[in-house]
Amino acid sequence: AQTVTQSQPEMSVQEAETVTLSCTYDTSESNYYLFWYKQPPSRQMILVIRQEAYKQQNATENRFSVNFQKAAKSFSLKISDSQLGDTAMYFCAFMKHGIQGGSEKLVFGKGTKLTVNP
Amino acid sequence: GAGVSQTPSNKVTEKGKYVELRCDPISGHTALYWYRQSLGQGPEFLIYFQGTGAADDSGLPNDRFFAVRPEGSVSTLKIQRTERGDSAVYLCASSSLGGGITDTQYFGPGTRLTVL
Repeated sequence: AQTVTQSQPEMSVQEAETVTLSCTYDTSESNYYLFWYKQPPSRQMILVIRQEAYKQQNATENRFSVNFQKAAKSFSLKISDSQLGDTAMYFCAFMKHGIQGGSEKLVFGKGTKLTVNP
Repeated sequence: GAGVSQTPSNKVTEKGKYVELRCDPISGHTALYWYRQSLGQGPEFLIYFQGTGAADDSGLPNDRFFAVRPEGSVSTLKIQRTERGDSAVYLCASSSLGGGITDTQYFGPGTRLTVL
């Protein structure tokens, strides 16, 4: 079974600064995907960024980037130029690649509550 | 286009009652998932549909929980004889089946279930 661990229950950062959220995972799978989702108080889970395990290049999406270390099973999220709207719960999630190329369930960590201060 | 929608947004019921929670996936998405999120926790998988069939129901906690997707679109999660421990946010997600970049799951806003 896969597990996802987020060791930082809460973090805070000043507006315009950079913050890194940690995530480690455990799996015996070789082909999988990793995700960061954002959940604001509205409860809607919003995809922030995704990474395919077979890609060595770290994914980036505007102010969001990841540091994917496959051997260490680490998948951290860096948020640059933090904005007040980034305040939310952030969840790291793992999904193994389906045998027939189909979708599989997401396994989530417990989340990190990020507060961006003005 | 429209995202995943869930109704009701909030549901309050009494212990022992029956409830139904509805999910409308993104049009054209063949895969549909239900997750349960307890307070202070990440979402936990309940069940996954490919089309009309439940491809994986290993996350359903017991036989009081049941889900259907009769026409391969809308899904209903049904909970019988509700217990206080069933109180949580129930999230639905859909994805376009096919692997690769299409594996991304898009979530609805959830239904907050409170069992008194």
